[in-house]
Amino acid sequence: DVKVTQSSRYLVKRTGEKVFLECVQDMDHENMFWYRQDPGLGLRLIYFSYDVKMKEKGDIPEGYSVSREKKERFSLILESASTNQTSMYLCASSLGQGAVDEQYFGPGTRLTVT
Amino acid sequence: GQNIDQPTEMTATEGAIVQINCTYQTSGFNGLFWYQQHAGEAPTFLSYNVLDGLEEKGRFSSFLSRSKGYSYLLLKELQMKDSASYLCAVMDSNYQLIWGAGTKLIIKP
Repeated sequence: DVKVTQSSRYLVKRTGEKVFLECVQDMDHENMFWYRQDPGLGLRLIYFSYDVKMKEKGDIPEGYSVSREKKERFSLILESASTNQTSMYLCASSLGQGAVDEQYFGPGTRLTVT
Repeated sequence: GQNIDQPTEMTATEGAIVQINCTYQTSGFNGLFWYQQHAGEAPTFLSYNVLDGLEEKGRFSSFLSRSKGYSYLLLKELQMKDSASYLCAVMDSNYQLIWGAGTKLIIKP
């Protein structure tokens, strides 16, 4: 079974703090994704990566950055947290290699910025 | 623009059948996914359709009509554990998933 883990289930940070969200997958997937999920909205893609050290902006990259130094790990960074970044953050991975494949999700990190 | 529409909420009775609809307008089409998401949990994959027609998987079936930009998820013999949100997502021409806002399904005894 594919396992995607995220470093924290719940996180409370103050405005202006730098926040790191970590995601690790154990199935050698090439693709990794970061989404945020807010009530009444669909999953919105923040960043994705198709390979190590490679990153692409999604639909809402402003205020975020990412890092992928190893294939299994994809980090989301909030350089200076703001209250409008309070949300559920979901990491996902998929096989890649040109295949149309389902995405496997981590349990999510509920971030509150006060 | 790209758009996925699905009802916000539906209610059904335990043991009954429910159909959750999804309509889409996207730049290209490389398949449609249905995911289930229980409250506070991660989405989990249910089905994938890329050709027209019905795909059956146990109590769950998914239908696709590409010409109509339409899909539905059919849940039979509803159980209380089926109470969840059901997310429709379309893979566009760039192989990106476009997500609907999800349908919250409430099952009553």
